Amino acid sequence: NAGVMQNPRHLVRRRGQEARLRCSPMKGHSHVYWYRQLPEEGLKFMVYLQKENIIDESGMPKERFSAEFPKEGPSILRIQQVVRGDSAAYFCASSTGTANTEAFFGQGTRLTVV
Amino acid sequence: GENVEQHPSTLSVQEGDSAVIKCTYSDSASNYFPWYKQELGKGPQLIIDIRSNVGEKKDQRIAVTLNKTAKHFSLHITETQPEDSAVYFCAAGEWDNDMRFGAGTRLTVKP
Repeated sequence: NAGVMQNPRHLVRRRGQEARLRCSPMKGHSHVYWYRQLPEEGLKFMVYLQKENIIDESGMPKERFSAEFPKEGPSILRIQQVVRGDSAAYFCASSTGTANTEAFFGQGTRLTVV
Repeated sequence: GENVEQHPSTLSVQEGDSAVIKCTYSDSASNYFPWYKQELGKGPQLIIDIRSNVGEKKDQRIAVTLNKTAKHFSLHITETQPEDSAVYFCAAGEWDNDMRFGAGTRLTVKP
């Protein structure tokens, strides 16, 4: 049973380009969470999705950021027109969604905007 | 919403000594308190968690204590080893609401 898979591990984008980060949850997990880790900071919640639904996007910037978790395929975090401040490590986690169960994290995607 | 504070931000101990990391939270509705260990270049990994109906939990050299009245919880690592060196994050909340993380503690265990 593979763990949470994120790709790419490293992504370099020029300012103004689009970044697409992928997260494949663990088998049997239908809940996905995206977090951002800025240098020297903790993990900041961005968005919580179930299959085909966004449950909570209160931590995601209103502009340029979007997330989806389609019926088939991985969850995608999309950042349009990236800026230098978007440079960070982006982690996704997945769980079964049952209250108080642990979530498993992927290894993260390190986005660098140049 | 929930707000989690974690202290200290850095901690250096000699091998064999104990390490304690403390967190406080603000939302009395929080009932799940996991701790994650993040090694260099890797995603956070759950090392221990505690639920609000339990005051203490141990797993070998790791223990977590929870004081719901005071809204704080702590991670205790005994007989530290160099491989314990990592960044540790506490978190509080529920998984159907956003899980709030602390800012992390960078633990260095000197051989």
